[in-house]
Amino acid sequence: GDSVTQMEGPVTLSEEAFLTINCTYTATGYPSLFWYVQYPGEGLQLLLKATKADDKGSNKGFEATYRKETTSFHLEKGSVQVSDSAVYFCALAVDSNYQLIWGAGTKLIIKP
Amino acid sequence: DGGITQSPKYLFRKEGQNVTLSCEQNLNHDAMYWYRQDPGQGLRLIYYSQIVNDFQKGDIAEGYSVSREKKESFPLTVTSAQKNPTAFYLCASRPWDSLMNTEAFFGQGTRLTVV
Repeated sequence: GDSVTQMEGPVTLSEEAFLTINCTYTATGYPSLFWYVQYPGEGLQLLLKATKADDKGSNKGFEATYRKETTSFHLEKGSVQVSDSAVYFCALAVDSNYQLIWGAGTKLIIKP
Repeated sequence: DGGITQSPKYLFRKEGQNVTLSCEQNLNHDAMYWYRQDPGQGLRLIYYSQIVNDFQKGDIAEGYSVSREKKESFPLTVTSAQKNPTAFYLCASRPWDSLMNTEAFFGQGTRLTVV
């Protein structure tokens, strides 16, 4: 079945470090891929998305490229800030399924 | 402003009581979802609804019930049969026209605590 695998957290970095959070997927057909962010005590917000292979989603300095050949959608940011501390979820959507398929989430901690 | 509203933000329940969590959206979305999130955990699907007067069980539906009498509203009832209801509950919605490309929009969540 369809699934999403994210790297386990927590990921702890110093401010201004380079960030990568890995996300790989298995899916029938050609899914759309999403990254969401959840700040403490809040709901999830869409961070970026990509709907076809080789698309790059970007927002707030974050980027992720839809790699069909490696079935990956890794999240990257060149220089993280303390305010980026949150939980990040990778998800996929397929046309035949009303459900979004979620990764387990990766907690990111940025230290000043 | 369009959005999805959950209420209340915090809810306390005595053991043996049923409680209902509200979820309202004015985005004209067809699909609505309820998720449960435990501390440090991911999202688990409780119920979802594709259309008014229709809904489907998710992975952890036991002890919960829902209704979808209006497109805008998808309330979740946590019944006394749910043995461990303390958790963070998230409601979400998506438009129907193209599920492939459309993201879910989330409410701010309801934190339910059994006292």
